[in-house]
Amino acid sequence: GEDVEQSLFLSVREGDSSVINCTYTDSSSTYLYWYKQEPGAGLQLLTYIFSNMDMKQDQRLTVLLNKKDKHLSLRIADTQTGDSAIYFCAVHGSSNTGKLIFGQGTTLQVKP
Amino acid sequence: DAGVIQSPRHEVTEMGQEVTLRCKPISGHDYLFWYRQTMMRGLELLIYFNNNVPIDDSGMPEDRFSAKMPNASFSTLKIQPSEPRDSAVYFCASSLVGGNAFFGQGTRLTVV
Repeated sequence: GEDVEQSLFLSVREGDSSVINCTYTDSSSTYLYWYKQEPGAGLQLLTYIFSNMDMKQDQRLTVLLNKKDKHLSLRIADTQTGDSAIYFCAVHGSSNTGKLIFGQGTTLQVKP
Repeated sequence: DAGVIQSPRHEVTEMGQEVTLRCKPISGHDYLFWYRQTMMRGLELLIYFNNNVPIDDSGMPEDRFSAKMPNASFSTLKIQPSEPRDSAVYFCASSLVGGNAFFGQGTRLTVV
């Protein structure tokens, strides 16, 4: 079946780079997404990548896509304490039904 | 547009009572999703609609849960009777076909 996997927890020091990884089993997604959830809030779209790209850079964020290995990653440069949150990757399922499948979320802890 | 609007933001109810959660999607969006988030199980898709029609309700935990979308601008998720294990944050989200999902702020449900 369709599945999206992420590691559950990542801890880094302020100023370091963070890399959050995601693998998926199958997808018809034109776009692949990263969402951010801050405490007590809903998920908000952070960034996305078009499926025919292998890299997208957006200020401190870099998204890498390896379609062959079905691997998506989010790199945050110069991580700040305000980046502490849960990060979700999401893809559309293979059956093109519009269903958006989320990973379990990676909790990023940034230590001062 | 004000985004996806959910009500109430918080709900505390006694076991056995009926609970109704409400959602107003973004105008023009084709898809509406109901998710549940808990510490133990992460973010779970309960049910989603396309053009007001339920497409996949395989994530609905049991018959106590039901969801309706009587028109394009309103959906409800009902739990009857509620149980303490239903305590969670319930999110509604909407999207265009193939697009990213916009989330509401969630309803925090506590069943005592």
